[in-house]
Amino acid sequence: DTEVTQTPKHLVMGMTNKKSLKCEQHMGHRAMYWYKQKAKKPPELMFVYSYEKLSINESVPSRFSPECPNSSLLNLHLHALQPEDSALYLCASSQPLGGRHNEQFFGPGTRLTVL
Amino acid sequence: AQKVTQAQTEISVVEKEDVTLDCVYETRDTTYYLFWYKQPPSGELVFLIRRNSFDEQNEISGRYSWNFQKSTSSFNFTITASQVVDSAVYFCALIYNDMRFGAGTRLTVKP
Repeated sequence: DTEVTQTPKHLVMGMTNKKSLKCEQHMGHRAMYWYKQKAKKPPELMFVYSYEKLSINESVPSRFSPECPNSSLLNLHLHALQPEDSALYLCASSQPLGGRHNEQFFGPGTRLTVL
Repeated sequence: AQKVTQAQTEISVVEKEDVTLDCVYETRDTTYYLFWYKQPPSGELVFLIRRNSFDEQNEISGRYSWNFQKSTSSFNFTITASQVVDSAVYFCALIYNDMRFGAGTRLTVKP
């Protein structure tokens, strides 16, 4: 099983809503990532979890709150977002002991629209 | 600082043509990894290849081939006999302690 799954596929939310994005992998990877991708731009790294601990936060605003409940799951909690946060949010995972220098496997993404 | 440059923003070819996507990188690290990813319209990033800085062997996989040259800091990707299904955005990426994607090249293959 070489799949990374993400739910939901699409999400529309208001600026006062609270929602969560979910990501799951069953490849035994111990590094998981959240990326944000705006239209016609490359993915931008947001967070990295290594062995279920947050190892990188790329100066992301606190309205984005990541959580890694176990080695297979990664959540991104959203609260009080702005319209400019509308984007494709990609989750990825990679092999253990390699962290970021191993190839990352990406999920299909959640397309988020903030009204 | 690490940087990846994909100078070709968009390329359009007719099916069965060969096409080369350019990638030039900058890094002060001696150990690093280079990747190519494909992003079809569905949005998912698909891993294509990894190459480490100590391995300059070129690689061929079916219609895909990669030319890694440290002397020119380039890691170019060639698709032979392109097909409509190759239409996608292709990203080159550089990783050591940080992951940097190039801006991407949008390839359109017309029937």
